[in-house]
Amino acid sequence: GIQVEQSPPDLILQEGANSTLRCNFSDSVNNLQWFHQNPWGQLINLFYIPSGTKQNGRLSATTVATERYSLLYISSSQTTDSGVYFCAAPVSLNEKLTFGTGTRLTIIP
Amino acid sequence: SQTIHQWPATLVQPVGSPLSLECTVEGTSNPNLYWYRQAAGRGLQLLFYSVGIGQISSEVPQNLSASRPQDRQFILSSKKLLLSDSGFYLCAWSVDAGAGEQYFGPGTRLTVT
Repeated sequence: GIQVEQSPPDLILQEGANSTLRCNFSDSVNNLQWFHQNPWGQLINLFYIPSGTKQNGRLSATTVATERYSLLYISSSQTTDSGVYFCAAPVSLNEKLTFGTGTRLTIIP
Repeated sequence: SQTIHQWPATLVQPVGSPLSLECTVEGTSNPNLYWYRQAAGRGLQLLFYSVGIGQISSEVPQNLSASRPQDRQFILSSKKLLLSDSGFYLCAWSVDAGAGEQYFGPGTRLTVT
């Protein structure tokens, strides 16, 4: 099946800093999602981005499907951005998601 | 708008006891439904998915089972819990034969003692 790798595994930043999280996948995908898991465990949808670039406030994401990677950018980090960020891609046609192991982001005030 | 509910939010059960976790979706019809487990705070593992009432596919052989008695209800069960069943259980839904974007419920934290 598809392999999804995320880097870095952990990231500690000062409030106000910018960050880039990376997601590599081993095969072609027709869907890629980014999630933020908050301290209470809730998975929040950030982006559904099979290709191209999307922006939502301080967050943006870019997926380069031909090169099999996606990037999540967080600008002007806030403490509420802390948590674990996951990317996930489906296994071909039946939309089952394979998750990466996540990036744990800690924003220090 | 669509919402997804899970209960209970937390559960502590002894080894060997039965389990029933419930997930319901509102605001959509004929959703694809999924059960995931997350252990040790990282990595979600797909356990079961369903494309319709009574249709269940299992991804990982284990001590658990799933059922879909109604269109928007998905239940995760066990007859006898093991210590290794502890974890965070998440239910998700997606539009049938559509965009493929999945939306997750708030989760149930299960501790087996």
